[in-house]
Amino acid sequence: TQLLEQSPQFLSIQEGENLTVYCNSSSVFSSLQWYRQEPGEGPVLLVTVVTGGEVKKLKRLTFQFGDARKDSSLHITAAQPGDTGLYLCAGAIGTSYGKLTFGQGTILTVHP
Amino acid sequence: ETGVTQTPRHLVMGMTNKKSLKCEQHLGHNAMYWYKQSAKKPLELMFVYSLEERVENNSVPSRFSPECPNSSHLFLHLHTLQPEDSALYLCASSQEADYYGYTFGSGTRLTVV
Repeated sequence: TQLLEQSPQFLSIQEGENLTVYCNSSSVFSSLQWYRQEPGEGPVLLVTVVTGGEVKKLKRLTFQFGDARKDSSLHITAAQPGDTGLYLCAGAIGTSYGKLTFGQGTILTVHP
Repeated sequence: ETGVTQTPRHLVMGMTNKKSLKCEQHLGHNAMYWYKQSAKKPLELMFVYSLEERVENNSVPSRFSPECPNSSHLFLHLHTLQPEDSALYLCASSQEADYYGYTFGSGTRLTVV
């Protein structure tokens, strides 16, 4: 069973601060995805990274896939209250269906 | 409408009731999924359909019965549920298996009383 460990589980910060969320595994993934979920809604896909060492930016969010494709990080610069939510990483294996491994999530709260 | 639409958004049912959850996707995707999300637990895969055929059934109790009549529609039929089945039930779809990620619906918040 592939496991994805996310850290930290909870993060409470002030508006304007920077933060990093980590997603680690001993397994190699063919792709890694990051989702954000707001209360009462489904997860929304933010980004997919597929190449070891890849870095993708989405406005104030920077995503990195580890060189060995076993880990990933999400860095948010100058966090805003609108960034509040549950952040989930998920790793995919090859061309499988329904084998996506989800981390347990990081609950981020950004206080104004 | 675009994306993945789930109905109803909220459902309260007794343990002896029969109800169905509906999911519809307008993205042209070829795979659809049911997930269960409970408090303080990772997302749990329940069923996967690829091209209308079930390809995964994660040892889900028989009181949950999926149906996929075509590539755009997915149902989850519920009967004689237990209180511990109360959760957020999420439908998702994808085009290239798991590789590029899923598009999720907003979910159905189910409460079993």
